[in-house]
Amino acid sequence: DVKVTQSSRYLVKRTGEKVFLECVQDMDHENMFWYRQDPGLGLRLIYFSYDVKMKEKGDIPEGYSVSREKKERFSLILESASTNQTSMYLCASSFGVDSNQPQHFGDGTRLSIL
Amino acid sequence: AQKVTQAQTEISVVEKEDVTLDCVYETRDTTYYLFWYKQPPSGELVFLIRRNSFDEQNEISGRYSWNFQKSTSSFNFTITASQVVDSAVYFCALSGPSLYTGANSKLTFGKGITLSVRP
Repeated sequence: DVKVTQSSRYLVKRTGEKVFLECVQDMDHENMFWYRQDPGLGLRLIYFSYDVKMKEKGDIPEGYSVSREKKERFSLILESASTNQTSMYLCASSFGVDSNQPQHFGDGTRLSIL
Repeated sequence: AQKVTQAQTEISVVEKEDVTLDCVYETRDTTYYLFWYKQPPSGELVFLIRRNSFDEQNEISGRYSWNFQKSTSSFNFTITASQVVDSAVYFCALSGPSLYTGANSKLTFGKGITLSVRP
């Protein structure tokens, strides 16, 4: 079974802090994704990566950056956290560059910015 | 631009009722994929089905069935004889191309439908 592990289930940070959300997958997947989920808005793609050190902006990249130094790990960085970044963050991974395999999701990190 | 519309936001049914969750999509691509995911209260999204744009056959898996109609750009999901364990948020999603690879690796999600099944 594919396992996508997010480092924290719940996280509380303060405005202005630099925040790191970590995600690890164990299936050697090429693609990794970061979404945020907000009530009434569904899932919105922040960034995704299709290879090590490669990244592509999603629909809402402002205020975020990402890092993928190793294939299994994809980090989301909030450079200077703000209260409007309080949300549920979901990491996902999928196999192949051109295969349309389903994305597999982690349990999510519920982040609160105070 | 890609778009997925799930017009129903919340549905409440009594156990054993049938329920249909609607999904309408917009895309300019000729090749695309549609997905349904389930998010139970525990939070993890669970993949249910994938359908490609060239395969309009309906699919049935146990109590679940899916109706893909390209002519109306719809991919509806029906649960027959619903059960309390079906209570969850259900998302429809549409694949879209990566700007860099051209591959259909990204998904655009609808806003989700919250289904409550009462005993």
